[in-house]
Amino acid sequence: DAGVIQSPRHEVTEMGQEVTLRCKPISGHNSLFWYRQTMMRGLELLIYFNNNVPIDDSGMPEDRFSAKMPNASFSTLKIQPSEPRDSAVYFCASSLSAPGGELFFGEGSRLTVL
Amino acid sequence: EDKVVQSPLSLVVHEGDTVTLNCSYEVTNFRSLLWYKQEKKAPTFLFMLTSSGIEKKSGRLSSILDKKELFSILNITATQTGDSAVYLCAVVKLNTDKLIFGTGTRLQVFP
Repeated sequence: DAGVIQSPRHEVTEMGQEVTLRCKPISGHNSLFWYRQTMMRGLELLIYFNNNVPIDDSGMPEDRFSAKMPNASFSTLKIQPSEPRDSAVYFCASSLSAPGGELFFGEGSRLTVL
Repeated sequence: EDKVVQSPLSLVVHEGDTVTLNCSYEVTNFRSLLWYKQEKKAPTFLFMLTSSGIEKKSGRLSSILDKKELFSILNITATQTGDSAVYLCAVVKLNTDKLIFGTGTRLQVFP
C-alpha cells in the first residue's frame, strides 16, 4: 500500500521565490495535516483539513502561507514570498477521522531558503 | 494554552540499559495520547493511550498513561543501537483530529 506521498523531497530556493509543496494522502483517509519541523520548535501543526475543508489554520504563520485541498487525493502548501526563516522540514500526514487519531506521515519536504 | 512537555530533552545510554521517557500535558478536553519514534525521516507510530493505568506493550517498549497526574511514560528495556531516535509524544483533544506534539526526547544508544 502506498503511504502518504510528498514532493519535492528537497527544495533549495532563494528568498522571495514562491515555493509549492505537494501531498497525496493515503486513499480513504479523510483528514490531512501539514506540519513544520525545526530543531528549535519541534513539530508544529500549520493547518488541517477534514473532508477537504480547512478546519483549523491557526498554526499558519502569516499570510505568506496558504494551503489548499481541491480534492480528497491532493493538497498543496504554498509559501509566497519565501524567507530564510521558513527553512524547515514540512510534513504532510493523513488519518481516518476516528477515536484516537493515529497519523500516518509522509517522508517530508526539506526546504532551504537562502 | 495547550502544552505538551517532554523530558529529558536528550539522553545518552549504553546498549542494555533501560530508559524512561516522560511526557506531561496541560490540555483541555483530552482524548488520547500517542507516542511516535522518529529516526531520520517521518515519525512512525508506537502507541496510543486513552485510559489510565493500562500498560501498552510492544516487545521491549511499554507505555502507560496517568490521566489524574496528566503524564505518560515510555519505557525501553535492554536498549539497542537501533533504538536511537527522537521519541515524540502527542495529545489529541476531543472533537478534533489535531495532534499537539511535544518537542521530543533524543535518545542515543551506544554499543
